[in-house]
Amino acid sequence: QQPVQSPQAVILREGEDAVINCSSSKALYSVHWYRQKHGEAPVFLMILLKGGEQKGHDKISASFNEKKQQSSLYLTASQLSYSGTYFCGTSERSNDYKLSFGAGTTVTVRA
Amino acid sequence: IAGITQAPTSQILAAGRRMTLRCTQDMRHNAMYWYRQDLGLGLRLIHYSNTAGTTGKGEVPDGYSVSRANTDDFPLTLASAVPSQTSVYFCASRYTGVDTEAFFGQGTRLTVV
Repeated sequence: QQPVQSPQAVILREGEDAVINCSSSKALYSVHWYRQKHGEAPVFLMILLKGGEQKGHDKISASFNEKKQQSSLYLTASQLSYSGTYFCGTSERSNDYKLSFGAGTTVTVRA
Repeated sequence: IAGITQAPTSQILAAGRRMTLRCTQDMRHNAMYWYRQDLGLGLRLIHYSNTAGTTGKGEVPDGYSVSRANTDDFPLTLASAVPSQTSVYFCASRYTGVDTEAFFGQGTRLTVV
C-alpha cells in the first residue's frame, strides 16, 4: 500500500520554508525520502527509523512521528536547487521489504 | 563505474508486441525493483525481487512479468503491450532491509501506440 503525501505541489520563493507530509494507514518502522529532478532518476535523501533521531541533509531535515504514523520533510531557506519532486517511501519487514512510494510532491522554487 | 543500467533509454512499441526492458546492476545488491512513473501517480511498484531466484508482485503487476536468474539482472517483460502501459519505467536496487538506500537507473521511456 502506497503512503499518502501532501501537498501535491508547492511553489516557493528562494529563502522560504515548506513542509511535506507523508502518512500511512499501517504502522511504520521506517520512512525513506528521495528527490527527483526533472528528467532524472530519483536520488536518495535520507531514511528515518522508528525511535531514531531527526535527520538532516544540508538545510533539508525530516522528522518521524511514530504515533501518528507520519513523517514530515522540512525545506528550510529554500534554494533554487531544491526544485524537484519529493517522494516518501516505506519498507517494512511485514510487507516483505517492498519499497513503496507515495505520489510525490512537486516543489518549485523561484528566484 | 558501479551503478545500475537500464536499456533501452526510450522505445516506441506497437500495441500487441512483446518487449523486454533490461536492468543490470554491479553493486551486488540482493534486492531489485521495477516501478512505473505516471503523472500524478508517483512511483508505483510493478514487481520486485529480494534475492536471485525469487520474485514478488507489487502494486500494479498485471501485464508484466519478471525473472531473476542471477544477482545482477532483473528484466521486465511486457508480453503483449497495450497503450495504457505507456510510461517511464525505473529499475532500482538496494540491499534488502528497512533502512537501506535504493539506487535508481536512468529510466526507460516507453510509448505504446
